[in-house]
Amino acid sequence: EPEVTQTPSHQVTQMGQEVILRCVPISNHLYFYWYRQILGQKVEFLVSFYNNEISEKSEIFDDQFSVERPDGSNFTLKIRSTKLEDSAMYFCASSGDSQGPQYFGPGTRLTVT
Amino acid sequence: QKEVEQNSGPLSVPEGAIASLNCTYSDRGSQSFFWYRQYSGKSPELIMSIYSNGDKEDGRFTAQLNKASQYVSLLIRDSQPSDSATYLCAVSYNNNDMRFGAGTRLTVKP
Repeated sequence: EPEVTQTPSHQVTQMGQEVILRCVPISNHLYFYWYRQILGQKVEFLVSFYNNEISEKSEIFDDQFSVERPDGSNFTLKIRSTKLEDSAMYFCASSGDSQGPQYFGPGTRLTVT
Repeated sequence: QKEVEQNSGPLSVPEGAIASLNCTYSDRGSQSFFWYRQYSGKSPELIMSIYSNGDKEDGRFTAQLNKASQYVSLLIRDSQPSDSATYLCAVSYNNNDMRFGAGTRLTVKP
């Protein structure tokens, strides 16, 4: 069964460093998303992406965040200058249509020290 | 403000019982509704999607939607210990912006 994959599973970085989180969505899906979940808190929407542009972004997705689909399979989230409060689990998701369910990858645990 | 509210629980039911999970949402324009299950340390796993008023059944799971009351529920029949997890309600206006509730932690006791 097709699934969303994410790499790395765990990333440790120092405050102020840039990180890139990578995702491979399900191959025939056209809608892509990033979410984060701080430990013990709810899943929070960051950004949605369709047709090579951002469709929607939350108030969390400020100028330090960016997304890109560099080729036909990868979807990346870049955090330019990490802060301690960026420590969280980051989930990528994809969907086959505009109203359909989203399928989540296993997540990348980001730890900022 | 797009809010999704769930009773955080924990909800504890004996094995074989029916577990009832509830969710309310604030955005009347919401169109798509989902229930996800999340085991500790894992990613959300889709259980059910529902788009129109009424009930939708899939195996032991039944989702119920009432748009007038802005209410979504999930019933789990014949609950099993393996159903013990956090259940997340998710609501989307146009699938560009899906919002989650905080989740209800369910424990099924053998």
